[in-house]
Amino acid sequence: AQSVAQPEDQVNVAEGNPLTVKCTYSVSGNPYLFWYVQYPNRGLQFLLKYITGDNLVKGSYGFEAEFNKSQTSFHLKKPSALVSDSALYFCAVTDSGYALNFGKGTSLLVTP
Amino acid sequence: GAVVSQHPSRVICKSGTSVKIECRSLDFQATTMFWYRQFPKQSLMLMATSNEGSKATYEQGVEKDKFLINHASLTLSTLTVTSAHPEDSSFYICSAQLIAGPYNEQFFGPGTRLTVL
Repeated sequence: AQSVAQPEDQVNVAEGNPLTVKCTYSVSGNPYLFWYVQYPNRGLQFLLKYITGDNLVKGSYGFEAEFNKSQTSFHLKKPSALVSDSALYFCAVTDSGYALNFGKGTSLLVTP
Repeated sequence: GAVVSQHPSRVICKSGTSVKIECRSLDFQATTMFWYRQFPKQSLMLMATSNEGSKATYEQGVEKDKFLINHASLTLSTLTVTSAHPEDSSFYICSAQLIAGPYNEQFFGPGTRLTVL
């Protein structure tokens, strides 16, 4: 079985400050981890993924995430938040290359 | 590359009618496509896995006779919501799987907003 936990329903951060959106996972095999962003009434946009290799993954729009096997975490980070980063963020996992299991989502609000 | 389209983007229908949603992989072939459903401010829930040339695999609790899936070609999967009711109103998102490397990555369509009156 596989699952993803995003413990925060909402994250608020001031523009220019660093942001972190948390994600922890549970899988039986090797995890393949993803972050997606969703704007209102839109589909998912891919941000970044961890498949193998370097634990620090850099993605689109200045986002990055660190794979931490011991803590089973894959937190999304950005050094300096923009108002335009305000959106719904989903963490997802699979261990089989099969369908993704999504977290419940975290709403990010960046205030000017 | 790896673009997935959905049509229509929005549809409003009367209760009891059927609605077809198309999912196309525009620049790659996809033997497997997935259909997800998303309620407002909630996560995506996998409904079914669509396999080209064979029957779809439905997740537990999803009525296969209500949500008909046809994967007619390597670039097209359709989801038909039959005898739609207001509770079927939702955001439907498809993804297409690209086979490349150790992981078969999914690419998502822009979604279809279904409103049943």
